[in-house]
Amino acid sequence: DAMVIQNPRYQVTQFGKPVTLSCSQTLNHNVMYWYQQKSSQAPKLLFHYYDKDFNNEADTPDNFQSRRPNTSFCFLDIRSPGLGDAAMYLCATSRAQGADEKLFFGSGTQLSVL
Amino acid sequence: GQQLNQSPQSMFIQEGEDVSMNCTSSSIFNTWLWYKQDPGEGPVLLIALYKAGELTSNGRLTAQFGITRKDSFLNISASIPSDVGIYFCAGQLGSQGNLIFGKGTKLSVKP
Repeated sequence: DAMVIQNPRYQVTQFGKPVTLSCSQTLNHNVMYWYQQKSSQAPKLLFHYYDKDFNNEADTPDNFQSRRPNTSFCFLDIRSPGLGDAAMYLCATSRAQGADEKLFFGSGTQLSVL
Repeated sequence: GQQLNQSPQSMFIQEGEDVSMNCTSSSIFNTWLWYKQDPGEGPVLLIALYKAGELTSNGRLTAQFGITRKDSFLNISASIPSDVGIYFCAGQLGSQGNLIFGKGTKLSVKP
């Protein structure tokens, strides 16, 4: 029973062509996160939503944007993908933010930039 | 920024052997989580630790939250081929802090 669902699993885009990755959750969690993971590296937090409150990490490039139209869905928009943006993009959720909270990850979207 | 030092970076072991990996930091953490990631998949939560000194098991996996709250280890007993993957520790600073991930331990198991 997938709880955090990411589509598509694989996405190919062209250099500079906008791309949107999607995430949905059936957990009714308040917090949704987007992580970028490059090969053989740890996941790196890009931003997260607590309900409708958007929280951007200080070093996330402006090229990356996010939308959360409702509790269940969250989107990652890359306005002008560069070759360096090729990576696995992971969506995660948690019930709230706090010391006892666990993050649940989706299967990820592997983005290739040609 | 805050860092977690995870070691070893990779391990090559024989099926049936026990495995141990750990994470350390100069900062005090409130929570330690251990995840396993298979190739092309998202991380899956294995064990969550919330109190200093806490020792928790999940099947053949055992993890402990260090007394100083600056470290944690994960042990896998009697490894099997499906244990292959990358294991990440993740720690949370403070009550509202986001997770910080270690760089991962890549485990390879020879049948």
